[in-house]
Amino acid sequence: QVQLQESGPGLVKPSETLSLTCAISGGSITSSYWNWIRQPPGKGLEWIGCVYYSGRTYYNPALKSRVTISADTSKNQFSLKLTTVTAADTAVYYCAKFLGPYTNWFDPWGQGTLVTVSS
Amino acid sequence: QSVLTQPPSASGTPGQGVTISCSGSSSNIGSNTVNWYQQLPGTAPKVLIYSNNQRPSGVPDRFSGSKSGTSASLAISGLQSEDEADYYCSAWDDSLNGHVVFGGGTKLTVL
Repeated sequence: QVQLQESGPGLVKPSETLSLTCAISGGSITSSYWNWIRQPPGKGLEWIGCVYYSGRTYYNPALKSRVTISADTSKNQFSLKLTTVTAADTAVYYCAKFLGPYTNWFDPWGQGTLVTVSS
Repeated sequence: QSVLTQPPSASGTPGQGVTISCSGSSSNIGSNTVNWYQQLPGTAPKVLIYSNNQRPSGVPDRFSGSKSGTSASLAISGLQSEDEADYYCSAWDDSLNGHVVFGGGTKLTVL
């Protein structure tokens, strides 16, 4: 049973880089695609992007210029970097697994971590 | 503005049925399968329906999904108070190198 756990700073200053990590337990990073999804307070879900263990990535076109998602097979984890953040990037950030672009239901999800962008 | 369009709210009384719609385009729902998620207050979403109409184990058969053309629907029969939650649809979109798109979410109230 795969379980996911997000970690990283809960507060980031405007214009800085948001960095989060998702640790995978109960399964191997080589088995699937690994995703980041966010949800601003009181709003809906927004897909950020995903990575395959080989390094293949897909990104949300609206965020692509600021996002890097990478996989670390030695640590069985993957990471998110979002540059030049503003208050609009304040959200709960979830990591989640899917099997591939055309088998793209997210299961499981991490519990989520709130990241606030503020000085 | 979400790529997939859902009604912001829906409601029903216990025992009734309700349907939530999700409208897209030829590059997403028209070409690919649709998934549905349930998000209870303060929790992470969980998959309710995948590949248009498949239920993961543990999801009651009161929940069903369908797709026609560029639209999809989630039907809930025999409403229960614990069904009060936010519901989201999603699909792969083949445009712009491929990406996932979500609906804006529908808040279901059980009256």
